[in-house]
Amino acid sequence: EPEVTQTPSHQVTQMGQEVILRCVPISNHLYFYWYRQILGQKVEFLVSFYNNEISEKSEIFDDQFSVERPDGSNFTLKIRSTKLEDSAMYFCASSRTGTPSTSGRIVVRSTDTQYFGPGTRLTVL
Amino acid sequence: KNEVEQSPQNLTAQEGEFITINCSYSVGISALHWLQQHPGGGIVSLFMLSSGKKKHGRLIATINIQEKHSSLHITASHPRDSAVYICAVVDYTGNQFYFGTGTSLTVIP
Repeated sequence: EPEVTQTPSHQVTQMGQEVILRCVPISNHLYFYWYRQILGQKVEFLVSFYNNEISEKSEIFDDQFSVERPDGSNFTLKIRSTKLEDSAMYFCASSRTGTPSTSGRIVVRSTDTQYFGPGTRLTVL
Repeated sequence: KNEVEQSPQNLTAQEGEFITINCSYSVGISALHWLQQHPGGGIVSLFMLSSGKKKHGRLIATINIQEKHSSLHITASHPRDSAVYICAVVDYTGNQFYFGTGTSLTVIP
């Protein structure tokens, strides 16, 4: 069965360093997401991505964060200058379909099941 | 402010019991997801609902849009069902996701 994969499984970095978390979504999926979960807290939405554009982002997703789909398979989350509070588990997810808005602004309507990767545990020291 | 509230927070059941986990939300939604998070941290999507009821094996999920409420039921619970169950909603604009804090279920043999 196809699955979402993430690398690395655990990343340790020094505060202020840049990190790139990698995800390989399921191959025929078109909608991609990043979430994070700080230890002991609830899952939080970071960003959704469709058609090589960010569709929506949360307040957490500030200028320190960026996402990219550099080729046909990888979907990456970059944190430019990590802070201690960025320590968390980061989950990537993908879904097969959604319903883009017809208003000219891309809107990902997450009406399809999302498949989650196993997560990357980021530890910032 | 929590857009999604789950109850109970923690639940311990004997193997074979029927289990219900509740989710209430305060925003207009386009979809509701039930997720299962294993002790190792991995997340599995169980259901996506926008109306009515869905069944998969021993799991049943229902949603009442008017009452802004969903339930996840597990019939004939088993120790392998032990996990955190998370309710998440997508708001009516389609792109804001809100997560509940999860219900930690332990099923005792």
